Amino acid sequence: GENVEQHPSTLSVQEGDSAVIKCTYSDSASNYFPWYKQELGKRPQLIIDIRSNVGEKKDQRIAVTLNKTAKHFSLHITETQPEDSAVYFCAARGYSTLTFGKGTMLLVSP
Amino acid sequence: NAGVMQNPRHLVRRRGQEARLRCSPMKGHSHVYWYRQLPEEGLKFMVYLQKENIIDESGMPKERFSAEFPKEGPSILRIQQVVRGDSAAYFCASSLQTGTGGINYGYTFGSGTRLTVV
Repeated sequence: GENVEQHPSTLSVQEGDSAVIKCTYSDSASNYFPWYKQELGKRPQLIIDIRSNVGEKKDQRIAVTLNKTAKHFSLHITETQPEDSAVYFCAARGYSTLTFGKGTMLLVSP
Repeated sequence: NAGVMQNPRHLVRRRGQEARLRCSPMKGHSHVYWYRQLPEEGLKFMVYLQKENIIDESGMPKERFSAEFPKEGPSILRIQQVVRGDSAAYFCASSLQTGTGGINYGYTFGSGTRLTVV
């Protein structure tokens, strides 16, 4: 089955800095890669996704890049704000279900 | 649209009791997924269901755990004879379509049921 590795497990940045979270996946058949943000005690919420026919996608301060050859995708957050503090999960989907990484706790200090 | 509805939000059970978790998918969604989340861990896939069918239960323990998604009513995740190790947050998600032969859609998650076994 699919295996998704996510790094780093924790990331601390100053407000205004950029944050990058990286994931790798194992199943070359995976073709859908969403990112979820989970605040403490709340549900995971989809923030951006990318499909395998696209190399990069951007939505305001967040962007995702995908390298299918390397089986690698990344989340980029620019101009971070304290409200960006949360746990971020990457995921990959091929046949039917999403396999999630273990998450990155992002802390943005004012 | 009320989104994915899970209940109860919190559930406390004594060891040996049964826990029953409910999930109503978003309107129009026919695919339901259950995930378990332990503290400081990711979301672990348990089971994928469509109406009246279990499509993939590869992540669900063979004993004590069962799931259903009847023609009418919510999806139910049932844990029999609960043990302390079952304490976790259980999230349900729904989607429009699966990846097989179709367009991939993201999951919408419910707020979860936090099960505590005492």
